[in-house]
Amino acid sequence: EAAVTQSPRNKVTVTGGNVTLSCRQTNSHNYMYWYRQDTGHGLRLIHYSYGAGNLQIGDVPDGYKATRTTQEDFFLLLELASPSQTSLYFCASSERGLVFFGKGTRLTVV
Amino acid sequence: GDSVTQTEGLVTLTKGLPVMLNCTYQTTYSPFLFWYVQHLNEAPKLLLKSSTDNKRTEHQGFYATLHKSSSSFHLQKSSVQLSDSALYFCALRANSGTYQRFGTGTKLQVVP
Repeated sequence: EAAVTQSPRNKVTVTGGNVTLSCRQTNSHNYMYWYRQDTGHGLRLIHYSYGAGNLQIGDVPDGYKATRTTQEDFFLLLELASPSQTSLYFCASSERGLVFFGKGTRLTVV
Repeated sequence: GDSVTQTEGLVTLTKGLPVMLNCTYQTTYSPFLFWYVQHLNEAPKLLLKSSTDNKRTEHQGFYATLHKSSSSFHLQKSSVQLSDSALYFCALRANSGTYQRFGTGTKLQVVP
């Protein structure tokens, strides 16, 4: 099974702070995704990428940047964190339509 | 645009009873539908998938049939167990789309 590793698993930051969430996949999948999960909203796509250097905008991109540095590594950046970004963030990779999720990062912005 | 609708936020059932979780979708393209299950503090995992009209697909006692005529892909199980308590997401990938769009999820709570 595809391995997707997220770090950190938990993060607390202050309003206005800088946060970087990391994701690494070890199966050389082309596609990688960042989703946020909130009760009543399900999983919402923030950004995605189909290879190193590529970035595509998802459904809820405001306040987020992302960068795909290698085939394996995909980062989500919050440069001015706000309480509305408190959420559970999932990274995922995909090949031939099958999506594999990491274990998630719980981010709290106080 | 493409969308997925799950009408039930919470379903509570007694162990041994049947369940159906609703999923309908909207797209103008050829659909590929998925069901994911997420247990507490875990990542979502693929449960079922289908792109074939009117063909039942099954896994781990759960089953679903894609009906393009009604744009539906409801998840069913004939007898729920306590271990089925989890959050269930329906997802849509339209045509040869590059990402899946998820519904809001249905929490299934099975009680003794």
